[in-house]
Amino acid sequence: QVQLVESGGGVVQPGTSLTLSCAASGFTVSTHGMHWVRQAPGTGLEWVAGMWHDGSNKNYADSLKGRFTISRDISKNMVFLQINSLRAEDTAAYYCARDIRQWAFDFNSWGQGALVTVSS
Amino acid sequence: QSALTQPPSASGSPGQSVTISCSGSSSDVGGYNHVSWYQQHPGKPPKLMIYEVNQRPSGVPDRFSGSKSGNTASLTVSGLQPEDEGDYYCSSYAGSNNCVFGTGTRVTVL
Repeated sequence: QVQLVESGGGVVQPGTSLTLSCAASGFTVSTHGMHWVRQAPGTGLEWVAGMWHDGSNKNYADSLKGRFTISRDISKNMVFLQINSLRAEDTAAYYCARDIRQWAFDFNSWGQGALVTVSS
Repeated sequence: QSALTQPPSASGSPGQSVTISCSGSSSDVGGYNHVSWYQQHPGKPPKLMIYEVNQRPSGVPDRFSGSKSGNTASLTVSGLQPEDEGDYYCSSYAGSNNCVFGTGTRVTVL
């Protein structure tokens, strides 16, 4: 069955960088759009970034452009999210999510989330 | 991109129906038929309940239905059951390969 497992979260200092990983199983990341969605403690969901099924296009939330980079390794069937210049407001659970199709923004599979806490 | 507007809370007794609204603009909800609804229980990831306004993924009970009129989408849960309690979020394609979520609604089964 489809499974997404995030890793790489933790407590990090402001201004540093972090890379989150998402290991996919039960499907290949080259057949579906893949996304990252975050949720700050006690708040709602925020779409962060997405990559087309063929890797030809990467898109980011307008408010987050510049510090976030989505990438993938097809050989490992993994997706990544690099976050630079971390700020306190980046503290959140980061979910890896699979699109229902190649690119539709309908997220039908989610990981359990990786918690990132930005604190000095 | 501003978050879509949802009521903070909604409630109903078992067996009753509850409808949650999701208000946006012509740039998102009103402009595309790509509105989705997610259910989230505490400490769990969201679960897709409705996509493309009114489509149910396999395994989602037909008690859940979606609709849209103009810039507002709605999720109706009929025949409320205790396990329907949780947070519900709408989302919409917002053009330029962007997506926006709603503010979230906590549904309580009385």
